[in-house]
Amino acid sequence: DAGVTQSPTHLIKTRGQHVTLRCSPISGHKSVSWYQQVLGQGPQFIFQYYEKEERGRGNFPDRFSARQFPNYSSELNVNALLLGDSALYLCASSQGQGSYNEQFFGPGTRLTVL
Amino acid sequence: AQSVSQHNHHVILSEAASLELGCNYSYGGTVNLFWYVQYPGQHLQLLLKYFSGDPLVKGIKGFEAEFIKSKFSFNLRKPSVQWSDTAEYFCAVNSPLSGSARQLTFGSGTQLTVLP
Repeated sequence: DAGVTQSPTHLIKTRGQHVTLRCSPISGHKSVSWYQQVLGQGPQFIFQYYEKEERGRGNFPDRFSARQFPNYSSELNVNALLLGDSALYLCASSQGQGSYNEQFFGPGTRLTVL
Repeated sequence: AQSVSQHNHHVILSEAASLELGCNYSYGGTVNLFWYVQYPGQHLQLLLKYFSGDPLVKGIKGFEAEFIKSKFSFNLRKPSVQWSDTAEYFCAVNSPLSGSARQLTFGSGTQLTVLP
C-alpha cells in the first residue's frame, strides 16, 4: 500500500513569492494535517482538514492557507514568502479526526527561501 | 497552550547501553501520547503510543515507554541500544482542537547517536 505522498520533494523560492505544496493521503484516510519542521525543532502544527473542512489551525499567519479536495488530497499555500518560512513541510493523514486516529507522515517537502 | 519538553537534545551512547529519553507535557486533561522516530533520510514513523490502560507501553524494535500521570511524563526506554537506533526521537501529545478534532504537539526532539 502506498503511504502518504508529497510533492515536490524540494523547492527553492525567493522572498515574496508564493508556493503550493501537495499531499496525497493514504487511501481511505479522510483527514490531512500539515506541519512545519524548522531545522533543529519538532514539527509544529499548521492545519487540520477533515472531510474537506478546516477543523483546526495552529499559530501561523494568514499567509498560510490550505484546502482539501473531494478525493481527500490537500494543498498548502504560502504567500509572500519570508526567509523564516524555510523548513520541511510535513503532511500527515489519518482515518478520522478524533483521539484514537494515528497520524501517518509523508516524507515532506523541503522549502528553501532565498 | 499545550507544550512538550524533551530534556536531552543530543544523547551519545555505546552499543548495548541502556537508553532513557525524558518527555514531559503540560496538558492537564485526557491525553494521548506518542513517540515518533526519524531515521536519517527517512520520514517520521510511530514507535509507540499510549491511549489508555496499562501505563507501560511496548512499541516496535524493543522500545517501551511509561506514562506517569502524576509527573506528566512519558519517558522512552530501551534496555540495549543498537547502532541502527541512531535517529532523532520526538515525543508528541494529542490535544483537543475543536469538536472531536485533535492536534499533535511535538517536543523539540532528541538526537540519539549510538557508537558501534
